[in-house]
Order: sequence, then C-alpha cells, then structure tokens
Amino acid sequence: DIQMTQSPASLSASLEEIVTITCQASQNIGNWLAWYQQKPGKSPQLLIYGTTSLADGVPSRFSGSRSGTQYSLKISRLQVEDIGIYYCQQASSTPRTFGGGTKLELK
Amino acid sequence: EVQLVESGGGLVQPGRSMKLSCAASGFTFNNYDMAWVCQAPKKGLEWVATISYDGSSTYYRDSVKGRFTISRDNAKSTLYLQMDSLRSEDTATYYCARHLINYGGYRTDYFDYWGQGVMVTVSS
Repeated sequence: DIQMTQSPASLSASLEEIVTITCQASQNIGNWLAWYQQKPGKSPQLLIYGTTSLADGVPSRFSGSRSGTQYSLKISRLQVEDIGIYYCQQASSTPRTFGGGTKLELK
Repeated sequence: EVQLVESGGGLVQPGRSMKLSCAASGFTFNNYDMAWVCQAPKKGLEWVATISYDGSSTYYRDSVKGRFTISRDNAKSTLYLQMDSLRSEDTATYYCARHLINYGGYRTDYFDYWGQGVMVTVSS
C-alpha cells in the first residue's frame, strides 16, 4: 500500500497568516492527490483534487502544489472557518490511502 | 442539492452481521461510482470499498475482502454495505461518499460528496 505521511501533525496559526501543510507519498503517485478538510463533528469536504484543481465552491485562498513525491496545501490568508483537520489522499493505486491528518488550530 | 443519508448503524457483537444503507438524492445516482469510507474513533480516514456506477465492478481493501459486500440499487438510488463476521477493529463511523466526475467527464477516485456518517460499534 502507498503510505501518505502528513506534516505537521498539528499546527497553530494566526488569522490572515499563510499556512502550509505537506504530504509525502511513499512512492510516485503523479498528480493523483486530493486534499480534504474535516471540521469538528462534520464529514470531510473535498478541497483540491488532481494536486492543483480547486473543488467547486472552495475559496481561492486554498491552493495545492507538488515537488516530486511531496505535496503541499497552502492557505494564503487563514480564516476562522478554516479550522479543522486536513487530510491528503492518493488516488494512484488501490487501496486509496489517506494521510494521518493535520490538525489546524487558531493561535 | 446532493444528499447522502446513511442508516443502519449501531451496536453489534463480534462475529455478527450488519447492513448499512445510503439513500442518495439530488443527482443522477446511476452515473456515479460510489464508495464507503470509514473513520475509527479519533483516527484518520480509511477507504473501505467502491462500486462502479452500474454495479458491474467492486473493489475492497484487503482487511474487509470476503467479509464486506458493497452493492447498489440504482432504481432506488441507494447504496449498501453488508458487513459480516464483524470484528472489534471494524468499529468506526462509516461514510457513504460519491466519486468525483471531473470537468472532462472522467470518473475519478476522489470523493466530492459525503454523507453525515453512521456509527458502527462492534463489542460484546
């Protein structure tokens, strides 16, 4: 199975700050990567797919990028509603696997 | 509005069975591959199974192969997960999720809509 390692496991940031979360794939997954946000007590929401494509209705302050097998999610100006847990997911091979999550909190 | 509503969870003893349902509305159900994704308490997400739009193909993670069966009834716009020989490690919230169809019209293995989830607790 492809392992997806997220870092950091938790992150505390201030409003309007730039936040970056990374996800390292254990092998080449090309651009087959998505990011999800899960707010407390809620279901996950798709943010980005195909490494860089923004899902419908997702604010443009969210963006994704890739360098080799390392993937990044960037929030350009942190807002209160961005608090939650972020997961990456690879869609390159079966089983589809998720990262362990990054918990984003307000400082 | 896309809606996915799961039902059928609860407490079940190890070795017993349980069947989950997911009622879909707000989209053309038979156009989309569908999946179950689970989340153990305080843990991360884990893909469980996928079924193709027409039910002709199914895929499972290794830990549930031979024990879980994903199925669908397109006439009723409903997805199912039959879980047999349940184990304590199957305890989780189970989400029904829709596979994304991208702008090019291609089916993908990303999940663009999720239900609210249903809790399954396997314990004696």
